[in-house]
Amino acid sequence: QKEVEQDPGPLSVPEGAIVSLNCTYSNSAFQYFMWYRQYSRKGPELLMYTYSSGNKEDGRFTAQVDKSSKYISLFIRDSQPSDSATYLCAMSQGNDKIIFGKGTRLHILP
Amino acid sequence: GAVVSQHPSRVICKSGTSVKIECRSLDFQATTMFWYRQFPKQSLMLMATSNEGSKATYEQGVEKDKFLINHASLTLSTLTVTSAHPEDSSFYICSAGTYEQYFGPGTRLTVT
Repeated sequence: QKEVEQDPGPLSVPEGAIVSLNCTYSNSAFQYFMWYRQYSRKGPELLMYTYSSGNKEDGRFTAQVDKSSKYISLFIRDSQPSDSATYLCAMSQGNDKIIFGKGTRLHILP
Repeated sequence: GAVVSQHPSRVICKSGTSVKIECRSLDFQATTMFWYRQFPKQSLMLMATSNEGSKATYEQGVEKDKFLINHASLTLSTLTVTSAHPEDSSFYICSAGTYEQYFGPGTRLTVT
């Protein structure tokens, strides 16, 4: 079993829809959870950062962490064509290397 | 959020030459930086952990003599691809931070 599993997509949704992106993981020692957005030929951009379990909201984005299920989610409300990108989940145990999911390619259809 | 820069953003070199890529943390100090490479439509592959004032830690399968890393200050790490070959052509990205990592914009290397 891989440490982090993420559906690669592509995921296509109509503009304005709610998008749900998910990752599962196997290492219960992970404490820090992140979501990155990466546009083609650009470096990943940190969207959300969460410590331990719980929810975090920032504008149209909501991150959820359920450590008991080893499952994290990113929700995007009122999706826009500019949200079309690859979304990478990432996690770590602390001040060390981060383990990434393979990324989900998201297409928002106008 | 914190800002990480990379230079150059794009470089083309001839086979057999060496190329240096710089990674800088602009508004914070970073004792640790990470170097990744990414092939088209693939996820990030960690190459090495760059530690300020000490040797880098390389991931399994990454040739330390080919990918030289120097982390001489708290704001600068460099990756030198030595004797580059076409198969080294890739997108190289660095990151820095504490618990959350901030990425540079990446360097696209093309070896002809």
